[in-house]
Amino acid sequence: GAGVSQSPRYKVAKRGQDVALRCDPISGHVSLFWYQQALGQGPEFLTYFQNEAQLDKSGLPSDRFFAERPEGSVSTLKIQRTQQEDSAVYLCASSYRGFEKLLFGSGTQLSVL
Amino acid sequence: EDQVTQSPEALRLQEGESSSLNCSYTVSGLRGLFWYRQDPGKGPEFLFTLYSAGEEKEKERLKATLTKKESFLHITAPKPEDSATYLCAVNTDKLIFGTGTRLQVFP
Repeated sequence: GAGVSQSPRYKVAKRGQDVALRCDPISGHVSLFWYQQALGQGPEFLTYFQNEAQLDKSGLPSDRFFAERPEGSVSTLKIQRTQQEDSAVYLCASSYRGFEKLLFGSGTQLSVL
Repeated sequence: EDQVTQSPEALRLQEGESSSLNCSYTVSGLRGLFWYRQDPGKGPEFLFTLYSAGEEKEKERLKATLTKKESFLHITAPKPEDSATYLCAVNTDKLIFGTGTRLQVFP
């Protein structure tokens, strides 16, 4: 496709439920990033992959958050036992390499009730 | 601690009324400063990269400049379609975003 694709676009979860968010980056992009954006705030860094290697996961808020990119393309962000404070937009971005010119998807809006 | 601060939080302009948005930063090692535009319900869209003090980049009605402590995004004769949130981000081995400036341009 022409851009970064994220699914689902919207997700409503009951507190305690596990969720999985998918990101399809631009073909050939080596680097992939996950960000969390609360309403009215800037994106907050979660984690960063270069190919299949997770180079930085320092932004993951707790051990309930887990990200993977097993074949160096599609990535999944998993949140276990969701809490209300997890409600946010989760943005995925990819780049040819590193932090130069990130191209973002439209995000997944997660609402935890 | 690395920090990025944007001002003002919100800005309302009449069409054609030029202005500037500010991004100030305190970081241990700057490897680039980026400007993004974000429309409601969309992800941020890349605008500019600046690397060194004195550097300037232009695109249509937008011009970004960089000093050792801050960056400015100048908007000349804005149009209603320039309405968006403008985000500044710094690269310090991770991309740290500011909270953005919400710009509204009225006809």
